[in-house]
Amino acid sequence: EDQVTQSPEALRLQEGESSSLNCSYTVSGLRGLFWYRQDPGKGPEFLFTLYSAGEEKEKERLKATLTKKESFLHITAPKPEDSATYLCAVQARGGADGLTFGKGTHLIIQP
Amino acid sequence: NAGVTQTPKFRVLKTGQSMTLLCAQDMNHEYMYWYRQDPGMGLRLIHYSVGEGTTAKGEVPDGYNVSRLKKQNFLLGLESAAPSQTSVYFCASSGRETQYFGPGTRLLVL
Repeated sequence: EDQVTQSPEALRLQEGESSSLNCSYTVSGLRGLFWYRQDPGKGPEFLFTLYSAGEEKEKERLKATLTKKESFLHITAPKPEDSATYLCAVQARGGADGLTFGKGTHLIIQP
Repeated sequence: NAGVTQTPKFRVLKTGQSMTLLCAQDMNHEYMYWYRQDPGMGLRLIHYSVGEGTTAKGEVPDGYNVSRLKKQNFLLGLESAAPSQTSVYFCASSGRETQYFGPGTRLLVL
């Protein structure tokens, strides 16, 4: 059974204070690992897809990395508008079936 | 280009009532999905479709039915709503890889 565990559950940072969110996963052959951002009352918004260990992707203040067992979402010099819940999900190889999600990390950036 | 839209945005039902949630996408995607999101839990897959006329069960299919009569639409039905079905329902669609999500439907079953 595919599993995704995200830590920490919640994180409060000062504006400009860099940190990382963790996503540990077990999957029967990884097709892709996905990061989404979700704002209150909204649907998940796609951020990144990672396919193989060693891969990295960046977007503005966010950088996602992938190993064989976990992924990190690094946030550099965050701003209050980066406050959201960040979701990690995996899709197994060969699967048109859906994503397996973690419970998310609720990130608050204080001015 | 609206992406993925969901109707309605919010609904209150009484136990035993039925309803249909509608998802529409304008990206010509083959795959469509229904998830539910509950506090303290990750999104969980209810049903999915790999193309027009096809459906398959996900992780939590009990109490729900789906239909994909047109490529752009995916309907989720509750035949006899139960309080345990109070949740936020998200539809998603994808081409080969990335799933794009709709804004959600909040359902309260009393």
